[in-house]
Amino acid sequence: QVQLQQWGAGLLRPSETLSLTCAVYGGSFSGYYWSWIRQPPGKGLEWIGEIYHSGSTNYNPSLKSRLTLSVDTSKSQFSLKLSSVTATDTAVYYCARRGIVGATTDWYLDLWGRGTLVTVSS
Amino acid sequence: DIQLTQSPSFLSASVGDRVTITCRASQDIRSYLGWYQQKPGMAPQLLIYAVSTLQSGVPSRFSGSGSGTEFTLTISSLQPEDFATYYCQRLNSYPLTFGGGTKVEIK
Repeated sequence: QVQLQQWGAGLLRPSETLSLTCAVYGGSFSGYYWSWIRQPPGKGLEWIGEIYHSGSTNYNPSLKSRLTLSVDTSKSQFSLKLSSVTATDTAVYYCARRGIVGATTDWYLDLWGRGTLVTVSS
Repeated sequence: DIQLTQSPSFLSASVGDRVTITCRASQDIRSYLGWYQQKPGMAPQLLIYAVSTLQSGVPSRFSGSGSGTEFTLTISSLQPEDFATYYCQRLNSYPLTFGGGTKVEIK
C-alpha cells in the first residue's frame, strides 16, 4: 500500500525558512505530480504548489517568490522550502500525490500524508 | 484566479437526512472538479472526481453533479461517519484552488 511520510521542523521563528520533506513508500514515484497543501488552524485548504517527478514545477503565485520545491528521485522524496516565514504561514502542511484517477485524463489529489503542524512564533 | 464559493459554510443535520452542498465557480471550469472529505485531525480524502465519479470505496449515498460553474455534492442519507468538512477543488488551471469548505455537524 502506497504511503506518504512527511517530516520537518515544527517550530520556526519569523524570517526563518520552513523545510519539509515527504517520502513515497510502497509505490511508484514516476508519473505523478507531488503536491503541497496547507491549512491554517481552523481554516480551509490552500494549494501551495507541485512538482512533477521530472522536476517541473507549478507554484501558487501568492507564494512563488518564497517557495522552492525539489525532488530526489533516487530516494522517492520531494521537498518544500518556504523562506522568510511569518505568523501567517502557521498551518498544517500536507504532502499529497496528484495522479490520474480512474478512467479520466484528469489529475486529482488521491493520496495524502498525515500533515505536519508548523508554527511560526517569536 | 478562478474562485470557488461553497454554500452553506456550515450545516446542521440529523442521521438519515438528505444533504446538499453547492460549489460555484467564478468562471466555467467544465468538469474539472473534485470533492474531498476531511474529518477532524485527519488529512482530506478524495471523495468524488470529474464532478460525479465516486472514488473507489466511497459509499453510493454520495453523489455529485453539475457542470460549468455550478456543482453539487449530495449525501442521500446522512450517516454518523459522514459528519466532516467537505471541500470542492477545481483543476482546470493554475493555481489549483479549493472552496472554503462546508462543515456538516450533528443536529
